[in-house]
Amino acid sequence: ETGVTQTPRHLVMGMTNKKSLKCEQHLGHNAMYWYKQSAKKPLELMFVYSLEERVENNSVPSRFSPECPNSSHLFLHLHTLQPEDSALYLCASSQFTAAAELFFGEGSRLTVL
Amino acid sequence: AQSVTQLDSQVPVFEEAPVELRCNYSSSVSVYLFWYVQYPNQGLQLLLKYLSGSTLVESINGFEAEFNKSQTSFHLRKPSVHISDTAEYFCAVSDMDSSYKLIFGSGTRLLVRP
Repeated sequence: ETGVTQTPRHLVMGMTNKKSLKCEQHLGHNAMYWYKQSAKKPLELMFVYSLEERVENNSVPSRFSPECPNSSHLFLHLHTLQPEDSALYLCASSQFTAAAELFFGEGSRLTVL
Repeated sequence: AQSVTQLDSQVPVFEEAPVELRCNYSSSVSVYLFWYVQYPNQGLQLLLKYLSGSTLVESINGFEAEFNKSQTSFHLRKPSVHISDTAEYFCAVSDMDSSYKLIFGSGTRLLVRP
């Protein structure tokens, strides 16, 4: 059982669709993160949750909506996306302590048509 | 605001040759520094980190990085690379006040050839 599991691994959606990305961590961590990875660009921190409270919302468009129902699960709800939102979305978890190591999932590859 | 610059998008090198992957950061406060590695079709994994103390930090697989405060650099080095080191390497920084907020560079792809 891997530490951080993301589903689906691949997702193709139209601009009018609504879909969700799911992340689950089995490491007993109390913080979870969403990052966006686009080709040739730095990873972009999108959201951070600590103990199910959002502590960071990094100027992300409202068409991305995070949800953290408990410390083990994190969702990213997607609606009316744009083609430029196509990217690899990475989930990570950690202990919410100074300089804690982030443990990443394998990512969900999103393509918006 | 903090930022991380990895000037080399790709570094090709022959097996058993030495390699250096460059990383420079900008920050107005004290920082923590990290190198993460991403193998094909996998998530990122922590390779090594600098928190305080000795400016030279090492990983278990032979990589090392040196924190240079005056040059605001944290370059990654390995004296002899293996084919299995082929991967994407990301430098990252966080400041000590909001250390959960990790800012990454754009990555350097290390391509080791036989």
